[in-house]
Amino acid sequence: QSALTQPPSASGTPGQRVTISCSGNSSTIGSSNVYWYQQLPGTAPKLLVYRNNRRPSGVPGRFSGSKSATSASLAISGLRSEDEADYYCGAWDDSLSRPRVFGGGTKLTVL
Amino acid sequence: EVQLVESGGLVVQPGGSLRLSCAASGFTFEDYVMFWVRQAPGKGLEWVSLITWDGGTTQYADSVKGRFTISRDNSKNSLYLQMNSLRPEDTALYYCVKDIDILTGDDYWGQGTLVTVSS
Repeated sequence: QSALTQPPSASGTPGQRVTISCSGNSSTIGSSNVYWYQQLPGTAPKLLVYRNNRRPSGVPGRFSGSKSATSASLAISGLRSEDEADYYCGAWDDSLSRPRVFGGGTKLTVL
Repeated sequence: EVQLVESGGLVVQPGGSLRLSCAASGFTFEDYVMFWVRQAPGKGLEWVSLITWDGGTTQYADSVKGRFTISRDNSKNSLYLQMNSLRPEDTALYYCVKDIDILTGDDYWGQGTLVTVSS
């Protein structure tokens, strides 16, 4: 069982806005930054959001992250068929004094 | 171009040992924290271990603590994972990962090496 809880699945139609949640506690999300990864079938994960709400260059603005207390969310607006993938949240701080943790992942289906 | 190339994955019997390697290039290896992440077939990501720039600090997931040892050789731009007392539940694709560049958000993963623990 993962330290971070994500819904196993989510879905939406093209153009729609979809939100994926990530729930933790005061020892995980509550005292850490949150990261979001996208994993397309057969490929390595790709970073979408880091430090709660920052996007690496090259990641479309359709992807946005937020954090509140012990939970976080990834929002995808203007959903596209190529967004169909697995999405993982992660939580860790900069101190390097604690192990890092991932959520169990959410399979996003574009209907 | 940043490249991370893992090797060493094999089929091994329960209780056996294995050493994974990761050859890094395209960046200043000694400047970055490195870590290993694994993914069992059809399952989610599991963070395994990290090591700081000079190897002075390491962290492990509870599931591997006491059995796995992470190390690095900055002179060879290489990361390692010594895996002992292997269990069937250690079967997974093991990814070598360069820590995120906080200024740019750049993030790099290898393609993974498959470890299968089975009799």
